[in-house]
Order: sequence, then structure tokens, then C-alpha cells
Amino acid sequence: EVQLVESGGGLVQPGGSLRLSCAASGFTFSEYWLTWVRQAPGKGLEWLATINQDGTFAKYVDSVRGRFTISRDSATNSGSLQMNSLRAEDTAVYYCARSEWPESSWGQGTLVTVSS
Amino acid sequence: DIVMTQSPDSLAVSLGERATINCKSSQSLLSSSNNRNYLAWYQHRPGQPPKLLIRWASARESGVPDRVSGSGSGTDFTLTISSLQAEDVAVYYCQQYYSAPCTFGQGTKLEIK
Repeated sequence: EVQLVESGGGLVQPGGSLRLSCAASGFTFSEYWLTWVRQAPGKGLEWLATINQDGTFAKYVDSVRGRFTISRDSATNSGSLQMNSLRAEDTAVYYCARSEWPESSWGQGTLVTVSS
Repeated sequence: DIVMTQSPDSLAVSLGERATINCKSSQSLLSSSNNRNYLAWYQHRPGQPPKLLIRWASARESGVPDRVSGSGSGTDFTLTISSLQAEDVAVYYCQQYYSAPCTFGQGTKLEIK
């Protein structure tokens, strides 16, 4: 069974940093892209970033480029999203997803709250 | 970036009736190299992760009931639920994966009338 489990969410002050993790199992991790998507309270889905199978290529949406960094580790079958310079508008549930272009399997999400 | 626009924003349909959701992209999602439309539909129920329903504009995922169908090409697409069931209450999103960032529509909230 394909499983993706996010962790690392929580409360952080504006300007702070947080690192989200995504543990993958039930499939051959190295064969798929990995994507992060978020949903702010009362808002729709926002695609954030994706990384290719060997971690050599990544793409970001403008709103997070330069602040967020996506990465992956084939040794531990996991992905990460390093989030810096966080703003109140980054408050959201963050999902990692296995991407086959489109995103075919999703984790349950982890909540990030940016507030003082 | 490609802009995806859904209509309507919300929709109330009686049980057993048809629900139709539209999605329009700011540029064509049809690839000339493989004649495929890079358009997906997702169902998002409260408290659950989004679920992929359809890819390539009309290809249903395994396990998705055949009363759910997708159609369209180029810049105009439609998701149809032919006979609404209670479990179909959700927010539905279209997404283009023609080019990154792979943008979503704003969502359509489907409710029972």
C-alpha cells in the first residue's frame, strides 16, 4: 500500500524556519517525482514545488521560490521541504504527494501555523 | 504561469441528478507530441487528502465509479457526475500538469440540494 506521512508541522513565529518531512513507503521511491502542495484555511489547493527522481531538478511556484527548498533522500525514502522567512500567509496544511504528473497519491498533511 | 478557472464556485444538486463542473485554462493543455491533454481532476473531502479522480482529461483512475467522467480538450474541460450520490459531497479541483508550476483551479464546492 502506498503511504506518505508528513511530519514537522507546528507553530512558528513570522520570519522563522521550519522543516517538513515526508516518509514514503509501499512503492519504489526512486521512480517518482515528489511534490508539495498546501491549503491555507478556507482557501484552495496551491502547488508549491516538485523534485525529480534523483533530486537533480526542482521547480517552485513564485510565492515560495527563494524561501522554500525541496529535497529528497533515496537512502531513507523521504522528502523534505525547508521553509525559511515564514510569513502569516504561509499558514496552511502542507501535503506531500507522489507525482506521476499528476499527483497520484497524497499524505494526510501537516499543519503549519505562522503567528506571533 | 497557466491560470485555471473553474465554474461555478459552488453547486447544489439533488441526489440522483447530474452535476457538471467546468474548468478553463489560460493556454492550451493539449500536447502536439502525444495528442494528450495535461488536465487532472481531484476530489477533496473535509479532513482527507485530495484524491485523484481523472488524468489526461478523461482517464478515470482505478476504483473511481463510472458515473464520474471527464471531457474536453485544449482549454475547456468538464467533470460530470451523472447521478449524484451522498458520498460525492466534496470540493472538486482541476489541475494542469502541462507545465510547472502545476496550477489548480480555485475549486468547486458540490453539495446536496
